[in-house]
Amino acid sequence: NAGVTQTPKFRILKIGQSMTLQCTQDMNHNYMYWYRQDPGMGLKLIYYSVGAGITDKGEVPNGYNVSRSTTEDFPLRLELAAPSQTSVYFCASSPTGSNYGYTFGSGTRLTVV
Amino acid sequence: KQEVTQIPAALSVPEGENLVLNCSFTDSAIYNLQWFRQDPGKGLTSLLLIQSSQREQTSGRLNASLDKSSGRSTLYIAASQPGDSATYLCAVRPNSGYALNFGKGTSLLVTP
Repeated sequence: NAGVTQTPKFRILKIGQSMTLQCTQDMNHNYMYWYRQDPGMGLKLIYYSVGAGITDKGEVPNGYNVSRSTTEDFPLRLELAAPSQTSVYFCASSPTGSNYGYTFGSGTRLTVV
Repeated sequence: KQEVTQIPAALSVPEGENLVLNCSFTDSAIYNLQWFRQDPGKGLTSLLLIQSSQREQTSGRLNASLDKSSGRSTLYIAASQPGDSATYLCAVRPNSGYALNFGKGTSLLVTP
């Protein structure tokens, strides 16, 4: 049981480049999330999804896009990378219901130069 | 907007001490509260989940309490060990919405 898998683990982008952060979960969770974590700050929600085909914005969605074509996958797209997007990105998932917590991936450390 | 605060921001204790980490939140309309551990350069590991109707949860040397009416939770670590050194994050899931609101964490160092 792999849980939540994120790729890549590290990436350096130049300003204006694009990339997709991959996230896959094998727990059949309906809910999936993308967070970013900046030094000294709490995690901020970028986008979330409550099921295949359904996505919604979180607290800091500008500069990002997502899609959810399957239950398992929830990729995060950066179209025009900016230095402000330098951060650590975490994908998470949770099942329906309050009895269960969130499972997080190991993160992607992104630097935009 | 739900605000989650964790005190202290950093804590250093000698091995063997019992310690308490604090978490407060401004809106008591919560679904559940979760404590996580984060090691440097790593992801988040779930430690304990407390439902809004529960008062506490225990796992090994960890005990988390919840006082929803006062907007507080504590994480108690008994007989601390150097391996407990990490950042501990508190996160609240509100009744309205799906996403967690995180505190900034408490960085714990347990010295041998």
